[in-house]
Amino acid sequence: DAGVIQSPRHEVTEMGQEVTLRCKPISGHNSLFWYRQTMMRGLELLIYFNNNVPIDDSGMPEDRFSAKMPNASFSTLKIQPSEPRDSAVYFCASSFDRGYGYTFGSGTRLTVV
Amino acid sequence: AQSVTQPDIHITVSEGASLELRCNYSYGATPYLFWYVQSPGQGLQLLLKYFSGDTLVQGIKGFEAEFKRSQSSFNLRKPSVHWSDAAEYFCGSETSYDKVIFGPGTSLSVIP
Repeated sequence: DAGVIQSPRHEVTEMGQEVTLRCKPISGHNSLFWYRQTMMRGLELLIYFNNNVPIDDSGMPEDRFSAKMPNASFSTLKIQPSEPRDSAVYFCASSFDRGYGYTFGSGTRLTVV
Repeated sequence: AQSVTQPDIHITVSEGASLELRCNYSYGATPYLFWYVQSPGQGLQLLLKYFSGDTLVQGIKGFEAEFKRSQSSFNLRKPSVHWSDAAEYFCGSETSYDKVIFGPGTSLSVIP
């Protein structure tokens, strides 16, 4: 298995632009998670899906953030409009079931200038 | 509210020395507990997990962790550290669904 695949690995964009991060989970995994990592705030859970349904989006910082999972093999995290404080590493992870632990992607390093 | 604390922000050990990284969780019931490692520029990799049974669990790369309910702790240990173990280590606690809350992490440096 290729693991959790995220794209792009790096993204540099100007403030105000729309940014879309992509994730392909491991086949057969039922849950998908989006995390944001910064030096100041550590790892923050933004949103997670179970069987393609959003379960908890309480970690999404603002209405500028949205996430979708149209099918079991694809998810997107969109920021519109982007701001410099959104600069962070965004991780996607997937899980087979409770207690199995997550498999993380390599992350997308987002820089908003 | 559920929380995970890792009291040590940074630890430095000599290669070959033993290691213990501390983790405390706050939750009413016994959660599922995890340790992950993150190398620079990489995602997190699962080292080991606990959810029932034997309170001493073995993981990959020679790591082990011990669950102590009375202390709400899940400390990570390794008897002999290798230079390649230098990384960031995260303790995590899972309660509802698959939702895992992570601690702030402990950065490990290894002196040759």
